[in-house]
Amino acid sequence: DIVMTQSPDSLAVSLGERATINCKSSQSVLYSSNNKNYLAWYQQKPGQPPKLLIYWASTRESGVPDRFSGSGSGTDFTLTISSLQAEDVAVYYCQQYYSTPRGPTFGGGTKVEIK
Amino acid sequence: EVQLVESGGGLVKPGGSLRLSCAASGFTFSSYSMNWVRQAPGKGLEWVSSISSSSSYIYYADSVKGRFTISRDNAKNSLYLQMNSLRAEDTAVYYCARDRGVYSNDAFDIWGQGTVVTVSS
Repeated sequence: DIVMTQSPDSLAVSLGERATINCKSSQSVLYSSNNKNYLAWYQQKPGQPPKLLIYWASTRESGVPDRFSGSGSGTDFTLTISSLQAEDVAVYYCQQYYSTPRGPTFGGGTKVEIK
Repeated sequence: EVQLVESGGGLVKPGGSLRLSCAASGFTFSSYSMNWVRQAPGKGLEWVSSISSSSSYIYYADSVKGRFTISRDNAKNSLYLQMNSLRAEDTAVYYCARDRGVYSNDAFDIWGQGTVVTVSS
């Protein structure tokens, strides 16, 4: 199985400041035939289902504010919130969807709070 | 409105069975692969099972293989998860989720609100 490791487990950031979350996969999720990284980011607020933010490592889902951005390739990825807003308090998960038939796997999550 | 609505959760004794349903609306259900994902209390997300649009390809996590069965009825726009031989560690919120694309492995762009399964004596 591809293991996804997120860091840090939690972080506290002041309003308007940058938040950076890292995600590392145990093997590359870059598919050479189409040059796409099979990596997504989700946001989950308490009592709600996850919400897709980013797919193909850096493509923002429709309706997601542009303060959210994804970067990286191969095994190392980053989700950046450029200017943290109060409504961004949530747990963020990375997910690889490269692996079939073993199935997609999620990172352990990063809790983002206001400092 | 694109929507997924789960049902069928509840309290069941260890060793018991439960069948979850997920009703889809607002999109062409038969075109998309579908998934079940669960989240134990206070824990992260765990993929459970996937089924392709025509049911040709079905995959399970090792933790549920041999006990759970995923199926779909495209005529009824519905996804199912038959859960047998339930264990305490199966206690979780179960979400159905849609693959974003119609052709290959993809992220999950639409999620239901979830249904709670509790396995306890």
